[in-house]
Amino acid sequence: EDQVTQSPEALRLQEGESSSLNCSYTVSGLRGLFWYRQDPGKGPEFLFTLYSAGEEKEKERLKATLTKKESFLHITAPKPEDSATYLCAVPKTDSWGKLQFGAGTQVVVTP
Amino acid sequence: DADVTQTPRNRITKTGKRIMLECSQTKGHDRMYWYRQDPGLGLRLIYYSFDVKDINKGEISDGYSVSRQAQAKFSLSLESAIPNQTALYFCATSVQGAYNEQFFGPGTRLTVL
Repeated sequence: EDQVTQSPEALRLQEGESSSLNCSYTVSGLRGLFWYRQDPGKGPEFLFTLYSAGEEKEKERLKATLTKKESFLHITAPKPEDSATYLCAVPKTDSWGKLQFGAGTQVVVTP
Repeated sequence: DADVTQTPRNRITKTGKRIMLECSQTKGHDRMYWYRQDPGLGLRLIYYSFDVKDINKGEISDGYSVSRQAQAKFSLSLESAIPNQTALYFCATSVQGAYNEQFFGPGTRLTVL
């Protein structure tokens, strides 16, 4: 069964305090991994797609990396506006058109 | 203007009522999806459609039905709403292809009393 597990469930950071979020997955033959950001009461906003182990993508203070079993989202010197829930998702084994989402990591960055 | 819109944004209804949530997109995508989000459970797929003539059940389709009126419109209906259908509902779209990131609407907050 396809599973996506994110940790930690919640993370509280001081402004400028870098940290990493983890997304581990169990799917047969990974065909990509997606990261989203979700603000309270809003729809998820697409951040990155990673296609293969070793790949890295960056956007402002965010950097996503991918290995064969997990992905990390590194937040460097976060600011309060980086506060959000971060979701990862992978294409399901039985249908590449469907995504299996993790439950997310809620990040709060305080001044 | 938003690429993916949902109406209504908020709805409070009573048990047993029929409710329709609507989704429209201007992205020109063929694929459309309906999800619900509950605290601690993440996003779960209700129905999806890869083109106008293709409708498929997701992992939690019981109690829901959908209609794909056009490439740009995908509606979700709750035939007889019950309290445990209280949730955030999201519509999403994507292009065809294996590595298809999905783009989400702003969501509908539904409360069933």
